[in-house]
Parts: sequence; C-alpha cells; structure tokens
Amino acid sequence: AQTVTQSQPEMSVQEAETVTLSCTYDTSESDYYLFWYKQPPSRQMILVIRQEAYKQQNATENRFSVNFQKAAKSFSLKISDSQLGDAAMYFCAYLRYGGSQGNLIFGKGTKLSVKP
Amino acid sequence: KAGVTQTPRYLIKTRGQQVTLSCSPISGHRSVSWYQQTPGQGLQFLFEYFSETQRNKGNFPGRFSGRQFSNSRSEMNVSTLELGDSALYLCASSGQGGGEQYFGPGTRLTVT
Repeated sequence: AQTVTQSQPEMSVQEAETVTLSCTYDTSESDYYLFWYKQPPSRQMILVIRQEAYKQQNATENRFSVNFQKAAKSFSLKISDSQLGDAAMYFCAYLRYGGSQGNLIFGKGTKLSVKP
Repeated sequence: KAGVTQTPRYLIKTRGQQVTLSCSPISGHRSVSWYQQTPGQGLQFLFEYFSETQRNKGNFPGRFSGRQFSNSRSEMNVSTLELGDSALYLCASSGQGGGEQYFGPGTRLTVT
C-alpha cells in the first residue's frame, strides 16, 4: 500500500523569505501523480501544484516549485517570497496513474505560519 | 466554471440519526470522491463514483454509503450516527486525464 509522510507538523517563515516543506512517499508503482494541496483556515482545499512521475522536470507554478526526486521518493515544496496569504495547512498527496485512479492518499499535513 | 459545491455547509445531528450530504461537481466532471477529515485521523478516503457507479471504496463501515446521479451530482449518507462521525466531509471532482481533484468547501458535521 502506498503511504505519504510529512515529517514537519509545523513550519514558520518570515514574510518575503523562502521555505521548503518536505514530503516522502512509498510506492511500488512507476507511474503516478503527486500533488501539494493548501487548506487555509477557511477550510477550502486548493490545488497548489502537481507532478507526473514520468516527467523529470520539476513542476513550477509562480512562487511555488517542487523538488521531485523519484529514486529517493521525495517530493518537497518550495515557496519563494512568502506572503501572509500562504499561511495554511499544506498536504502532500499521491494518486495512482490511469484507469480507476481512485483515491488521493494524503500525508498528515504541515501547518505553515508566516510572520510579518 | 463554477467550482465544486456542497450542501449543507454545517449540520448538527444527534446520535442515532441519519444524515445526507450533497455534492455538485464542476461542470463536465464525471468522477466524484468523498473524504472525511478529522484532527486525529487526517484525510481519509470514503468512496469514489464515476458515471453513477461506485468504483472505489475506502475502509469505512457500511453505515457510510453514497450514490451518484446521471448529472454527476453525488450524495453520501451516514446512518445511525455516532459521536466519532463528527468531521469535515469533503467532496472532490475530477475530469478526464490530469488526475487532479478539485475540492468543495466541505460540510462540517457535528454529532451530539
């Protein structure tokens, strides 16, 4: 069974600085998706970024980028120029590729605080 | 496009009662998944529906059930509510390809 581990329950960053959130996963499959979701205090889960395992190039979305290390089964999220609105719970998630993709498997989350 | 909508947003029920939650996916999305979120267990998968068929189910008791209609709207039902069913219930929809799931705002269920 696949598992996702986020080893940092809480992180803090100064506004305008850079922070990296860690995520490791375990799977025996070669094709899959990885995601980072953000859940602000209002509770709406928002997709931040996605990565297909077959792509070697790391995904980037504006200030958000990932460091995908397939062999190490590592998928970290870097937030550059942190803003107050980045404060939220961040969840790393895994999804099987193709067919009945079924369910996202989530990590326990990392609570990010942004200090002004 | 309108996002995923869920109704009601908040619900208070008594132990032993049953409850039905509703989810309308993004227009054109045919897959709807349900998740339960609690502080202790985190996000846990309940079930997934595609074209009115349940094609994946999580490890929850039979008190939890769901269905999907021809317009892709989905409902989940919890019968004989227990205190431990208090949670945020999230619905997510996805389209063909891409894999990403888009979440609704959730329904906060409190069982007293």
